[in-house]
Amino acid sequence: DQQVKQNSPSLSVQEGRISILNCDYTNSMFDYFLWYKKYPAEGPTFLISISSIKDKNEDGRFTVFLNKSAKHLSLHIVPSQPGDSAVYFCAASAGNNDMRFGAGTRLTVKP
Amino acid sequence: DAGITQSPRHKVTETGTPVTLRCHQTENHRYMYWYRQDPGHGLRLIHYSYGVKDTDKGEVSDGYSVSRSKTEDFLLTLESATSSQTSVYFCAISAGQANSPLHFGNGTRLTVT
Repeated sequence: DQQVKQNSPSLSVQEGRISILNCDYTNSMFDYFLWYKKYPAEGPTFLISISSIKDKNEDGRFTVFLNKSAKHLSLHIVPSQPGDSAVYFCAASAGNNDMRFGAGTRLTVKP
Repeated sequence: DAGITQSPRHKVTETGTPVTLRCHQTENHRYMYWYRQDPGHGLRLIHYSYGVKDTDKGEVSDGYSVSRSKTEDFLLTLESATSSQTSVYFCAISAGQANSPLHFGNGTRLTVT
């Protein structure tokens, strides 16, 4: 069962505009959420996280929003840059060692 | 970059042969993980270790075994490789505190023919 879902396999945006990547989850026990970024032939790298006690966390151009009632989180990238082109994975954890990942969204930022 | 080295980076093997993938870390982290990445599935946990000789199963552990005889090394073994195990395998580490991110190696691309 896929407990973390990223329903958009791909997203294309223009440089300088906002990129919004979405993620839904089904397990109400998840209390820690993360976004990872992955370039080809490399491992995923940690980007930003949010605890369930918060509804927003910001780090530079990256902001993660959490809506617990809707079991939904999103990653906003403003402004988007060509170097942001990568696959983005949403992940969630229930405080144990079984972190669950979504299938990923491929972001393309066009110059 | 977290000090994680996976070897080999690429491997082609035949169905039915044993395969061992190695993960080596220089961070002295307690927790180590093996994930596989497949299209449409994201990353799925195979096994993890919470200390030397302490391991546990993940979501997709069937057909895999692991061993950890030293803090720095975590081995993943496919006793008899099958085509369904063709995948990209990632090792990850974490310090183990609650709500700490995982740090990944660069992966091993395994093809079973």
